[in-house]
Amino acid sequence: EIVLTQSPGTLSLSPGERATLSCRASQSVSSSYLAWYQQKPGQAPRLLIYGASSRATGIPDRFSGSGSGTDFTLTISRLEPEDFAVYYCQQYGSSPWITFGQGTRLEIK
Amino acid sequence: EVQLVQSGAEVKKPGESLKISCKGSGYSFTSYWIGWVRQMPGKGLEWMGIIYPGDSDTRYSPSFQGQVTISADKSISTAYLQWSSLKASDTAMYYCARLVVGATDYWGQGTLVTVSS
Repeated sequence: EIVLTQSPGTLSLSPGERATLSCRASQSVSSSYLAWYQQKPGQAPRLLIYGASSRATGIPDRFSGSGSGTDFTLTISRLEPEDFAVYYCQQYGSSPWITFGQGTRLEIK
Repeated sequence: EVQLVQSGAEVKKPGESLKISCKGSGYSFTSYWIGWVRQMPGKGLEWMGIIYPGDSDTRYSPSFQGQVTISADKSISTAYLQWSSLKASDTAMYYCARLVVGATDYWGQGTLVTVSS
């Protein structure tokens, strides 16, 4: 089973700053099958990035994804107040087909 | 517009059975896998399993195999998640989501299941 480890667990930043979130896989993951989600309290997760670097429909261009193999990164270039949330990475394709990272909480400093 | 609409919140006692639903609309329901995700209170997302409504091919995460049953009725574009005997530890929010290549693009609003004596 592929295990995804996200770091840091909590990231404290101010609006306008740059956020860098990491997702490390225990085995190589196809870039085509690495996605990122944002979840706000009381809401379902929202797809941000798929295929490691492609923005989903309607996602602002301040969100970007990169990486390959076992190391992936979600970057938010300039934080807006609405960006403070929990972020999850997900791999899709290797048994048991889908796993999530444990999440990174992005909080206002 | 693609939508996944889940059934409402449930409060059950340990040992009771339960079946929750997820109705798809705005797309070809039989052409996309649907998955179920558990989120326990204050915790992260856990993948439970997936079903292809076109032929009911179903696959479970090892952690949930034998604990739940996933099914679908393509005639009414609805997927289901069911338990035969609930435990307090099944208390969680449950989401359904549509799978596309490499991601899950649409999510239901979630169904809160509370199991308490």
